[in-house]
Amino acid sequence: GAVVSQHPSRVICKSGTSVKIECRSLDFQATTMFWYRQFPKQSLMLMATSNEGSKATYEQGVEKDKFLINHASLTLSTLTVTSAHPEDSSFYICSARGDLTTDTQYFGPGTRLTVL
Amino acid sequence: AQSVTQPDIHITVSEGASLELRCNYSYGATPYLFWYVQSPGQGLQLLLKYFSGDTLVQGIKGFEAEFKRSQSSFNLRKPSVHWSDAAEYFCASRRSGTYKYIFGTGTRLKVLA
Repeated sequence: GAVVSQHPSRVICKSGTSVKIECRSLDFQATTMFWYRQFPKQSLMLMATSNEGSKATYEQGVEKDKFLINHASLTLSTLTVTSAHPEDSSFYICSARGDLTTDTQYFGPGTRLTVL
Repeated sequence: AQSVTQPDIHITVSEGASLELRCNYSYGATPYLFWYVQSPGQGLQLLLKYFSGDTLVQGIKGFEAEFKRSQSSFNLRKPSVHWSDAAEYFCASRRSGTYKYIFGTGTRLKVLA
């Protein structure tokens, strides 16, 4: 149980375009979803927290207009990287927690974004 | 400020040898502590967690961790390492008053055949 999926696993896009990444909780209802960014050989950096049906809360230094987060249902959250630039290239990982999983976050497999 | 420290960036052990990965936390009350493993290009898999109770926690894949309040530590151990254990290991603590995690910087484990 407690499986989280992400789609796509890899995406390559041109500079200036937008990319949407989906995060789904497959077997539980995710009250809260988190989006992380991970640079090569580094730890995870929390970008934002989203609760179903409400606006996401962004961490300091994260541009909310560039990284649009939508948590429209209890099983789906999306991260849209708008007007992507090469410096946005990174590994993006989502995680989810539900009322039954309480304090434990379950992580998706990650999405590798490459902006040319 | 609340923090999680993993002092070892890299660790190399021979297959079959024992393993201990260190994790220290700074927090006044008892924190919620986690160990995750990340294989290359993959997401994080939960190995084990500690919230309260028995300070020796058993996890998946033969891992265990011991919470020691006096040392502010939550070290991960495995008695006999397998080549498939080579990965990045992250210690995390739940940030006080939120559901957010604070991650350590990770320890990269290399296993020699």
